[in-house]
Amino acid sequence: DVKVTQSSRYLVKRTGEKVFLECVQDMDHENMFWYRQDPGLGLRLIYFSYDVKMKEKGDIPEGYSVSREKKERFSLILESASTNQTSMYLCASSLGGQGYSPLHFGNGTRLTVT
Amino acid sequence: EDQVTQSPEALRLQEGESSSLNCSYTVSGLRGLFWYRQDPGKGPEFLFTLYSAGEEKEKERLKATLTKKESFLHITAPKPEDSATYLCAVQEEGGFQKLVFGTGTRLLVSP
Repeated sequence: DVKVTQSSRYLVKRTGEKVFLECVQDMDHENMFWYRQDPGLGLRLIYFSYDVKMKEKGDIPEGYSVSREKKERFSLILESASTNQTSMYLCASSLGGQGYSPLHFGNGTRLTVT
Repeated sequence: EDQVTQSPEALRLQEGESSSLNCSYTVSGLRGLFWYRQDPGKGPEFLFTLYSAGEEKEKERLKATLTKKESFLHITAPKPEDSATYLCAVQEEGGFQKLVFGTGTRLLVSP
C-alpha cells in the first residue's frame, strides 16, 4: 500500500513564524501535491510538483512556497505565518505521466496560527 | 472556471435505508470524475474514477454513475461503517492531474 506520511498531526505557531510542513511518500511516485482543506471551501490546491526540483503553482499559492529536493519528499513552507493560514493541510502523491492515477493522501496536519 | 457542487451537505440515514449523493459539475471538457471517502481525522481515500457519460463503477454497497452534467453515488443498504464524508472531484481535459474538489457530503448512518 502507498503510504504518505506527514510529519506532524497538529502544529501551533505564532503569527510571523516560518513554518515547515513535511511530507514523505514511499511508492516512488513522480507527482506530489499540497492541498488545504477548510470547512465550506473544500480542498484547494496550493502547489504541486511532477518531478524533483520542479514545482507549479496551484490555485492558492500566495503566502506559501515549496521544496522538492528528493523524489520522496515534498515540503510546504509558510514564509511568515498568518492567522488566515490556520487550516488542515493535506499532502498527496500519484504516479507520473499524462494520464490520471489516483491521489494518495496523508492524514493531514492541522495547523493553528495564533 | 470549473465548479463542483455536492448535495446534500449532510445526510442522515438509518441502517439499510438506501439513498444517493449528487455531484454536479461544470467543466469545459471532462477528463475524469473522482469519488473519495474521508473519515474524521484522516486524508481522503480514493473510491472510483469515471471517464465518460453512462459509465458505472461499483464497490461493495457503493455504485457511482456519470452523466454529462452530474454524478451520483448510490449507497445501497448502508451500514454504520459507511458513515464518512464523500468528496467528488473533476479533472479538466488538458489539466495536469489537477483536481477541483466539491465540499463534500457528510453521511451518517445510524444503527
